[in-house]
Parts: sequence; C-alpha cells; structure tokens
Amino acid sequence: GAVVSQHPSRVICKSGTSVKIECRSLDFQATTMFWYRQFPKQSLMLMATSNEGSKATYEQGVEKDKFLINHASLTLSTLTVTSAHPEDSSFYICSASTRASYGYTFGSGTRLTVV
Amino acid sequence: DQQVKQNSPSLSVQEGRISILNCDYTNSMFDYFLWYKKYPAEGPTFLISISSIKDKNEDGRFTVFLNKSAKHLSLHIVPSQPGDSAVYFCAASGYTGNQFYFGTGTSLTVIP
Repeated sequence: GAVVSQHPSRVICKSGTSVKIECRSLDFQATTMFWYRQFPKQSLMLMATSNEGSKATYEQGVEKDKFLINHASLTLSTLTVTSAHPEDSSFYICSASTRASYGYTFGSGTRLTVV
Repeated sequence: DQQVKQNSPSLSVQEGRISILNCDYTNSMFDYFLWYKKYPAEGPTFLISISSIKDKNEDGRFTVFLNKSAKHLSLHIVPSQPGDSAVYFCAASGYTGNQFYFGTGTSLTVIP
C-alpha cells in the first residue's frame, strides 16, 4: 500500500537555527502534500497545502516566511522551520494524496523540540 | 508498509442508524489509538481515543472498541446524523508517543 516516509522522527535544535523536515511518498506520486501541526487535545492544524507545480497555499495565521514548504517533486516535500523558537516546539506531520485516490496517506510525524 | 489500515474507503448510512468504521493495525507495540474526523479543507480534529488497557471508551454518541488480540479497533456512531458526514481516520502510536501512524481514512456519508 501507499507509504509516506517522514524524517527525522525526532529533532532537538537550538533557538535561532533552522530545521528541515522531509516527507517522501515511497511508491506513489503525491500530487498534493499537506503539512499539519498537532496541538493539545490531539487535533491537527492544517498549516499549508502544496500542489504539484505550484507554490504552497498557507492557512491563515501561518507565517510563510517562517515555515518554508518546498514540493520539490511528486515524491518529496520539505518543511523548513526557520529561526526556530521554543514556541515552535510541536509535532509536525505530513500527508499526501493523489488525484487518483480519495484517501490520505500520513507520514509518522516529527517531534520538534527547540531549546 | 502500512501499519494502520482502513480497508473501507467509504460508507453510507441512513440517518438514525449506527455507523461502524473499522481499523486494523499490524504492530503489537501500539498501545494508544485515536480517531479523527476531517471536513474538507480542514485539518483532522480529534474525536476519541483509547489506550490498550481498555477495550471500550465511550463519549456521547461515539464509542471506540479495541480488540487487541485481533489488532482491530472500531468506531461506532449511534445515532448517525447528517453532520457526521466526513472522513474518519484512525491512528496509533507506541508508548513514546513520538510517532503516529494513520490509516488512509473512511469517508462516511449519512443520508437524511
């Protein structure tokens, strides 16, 4: 079945540095990638959606200059948290879908801790 | 390989009846399970969870059942309402909570 690989699973970084999170679809071409942030009570907040061949669409309140999303190819999307602050510490998760599929395949998430 | 599977991509139920959404997992180390509900253009919102020490958890119209020996969980919605129409995801994690594994979702349509 469709698999999305997300790396790293866990990262600790210093304040002011940047962190890159990768999301790869292993056996299918992801025409759309979604990036989420998990908040307390376990709900996932949609941060941005990136479609093949176009720039990411950010949700209201998400700083596009802080959370850089690159949908480099149909199998790779990256989220870079720039100039990280402790309040950026969270769980980030990606998911991918294709035009041919009605389902969403999720990565296993990245636990970011900014110290 | 997909560690959490939702084998029914869609389900239609009459209003007032019971909706049963199923989820299977392969990793016996999973000990915490969640259900999410997702409307179009929104992120999944948390619905209900269950830890492996229980076999049932109830919250209003929503009940989650866990069968550890079968590595199977299900979400029951009763009575089903049109507003329940959405995509439902199950997810599982191990004791560290550092990684979550999601199913691919089941689209529920409740027919008025």
